[in-house]
Amino acid sequence: DTEVTQTPKHLVMGMTNKKSLKCEQHMGHRAMYWYKQKAKKPPELMFVYSYEKLSINESVPSRFSPECPNSSLLNLHLHALQPEDSALYLCASSQASGGYGYTFGSGTRLTVV
Amino acid sequence: AQKVTQAQTEISVVEKEDVTLDCVYETRDTTYYLFWYKQPPSGELVFLIRRNSFDEQNEISGRYSWNFQKSTSSFNFTITASQVVDSAVYFCALRGFDQAGTALIFGKGTTLSVSS
Repeated sequence: DTEVTQTPKHLVMGMTNKKSLKCEQHMGHRAMYWYKQKAKKPPELMFVYSYEKLSINESVPSRFSPECPNSSLLNLHLHALQPEDSALYLCASSQASGGYGYTFGSGTRLTVV
Repeated sequence: AQKVTQAQTEISVVEKEDVTLDCVYETRDTTYYLFWYKQPPSGELVFLIRRNSFDEQNEISGRYSWNFQKSTSSFNFTITASQVVDSAVYFCALRGFDQAGTALIFGKGTTLSVSS
């Protein structure tokens, strides 16, 4: 299995809702990432997990809460989002060291209304 | 600090033209990795190539070729005989070797439009 699977593919949520994005990989990768991508912009790093521990948090607002329950699964919990949080959320994984390939999921298109 | 610069925001070509996408990077790491990704309108990031800093050999894969020059900190990407299916946003990215678990740093991307 050489894929990163993200669910759901599309999500529309209100500003008072709580929702979660899910990311799963079975490649034995020990680093997992959340990126946020606005239209016509490059992906921006949000969080990095290395060996299930949060190693990088790029000053992301607390309304985004990551969770890594095990080495194959990465969640992003969303609460009280703003319309400007609407974006494509990409998950990726890689081996924890070195510069080997990063595998990206197809993303979740989030719209906050 | 690490940085990737893709100076070309948008490029438009006609099918069968050759096109080169430029990428210039900055890093203090002695060992690092460079990547190119393609992002079609559907949104997924498709891996094209990885090159480590010790390997300056140019690479060709079908219609794609890459020219890596450490002396100018550049890692340019050429598509030969472009096709409409090549229309996408192309990102160059950099990863330092010594920062275990550190993520990719992306350039701003170049939007390539190929018309028939």
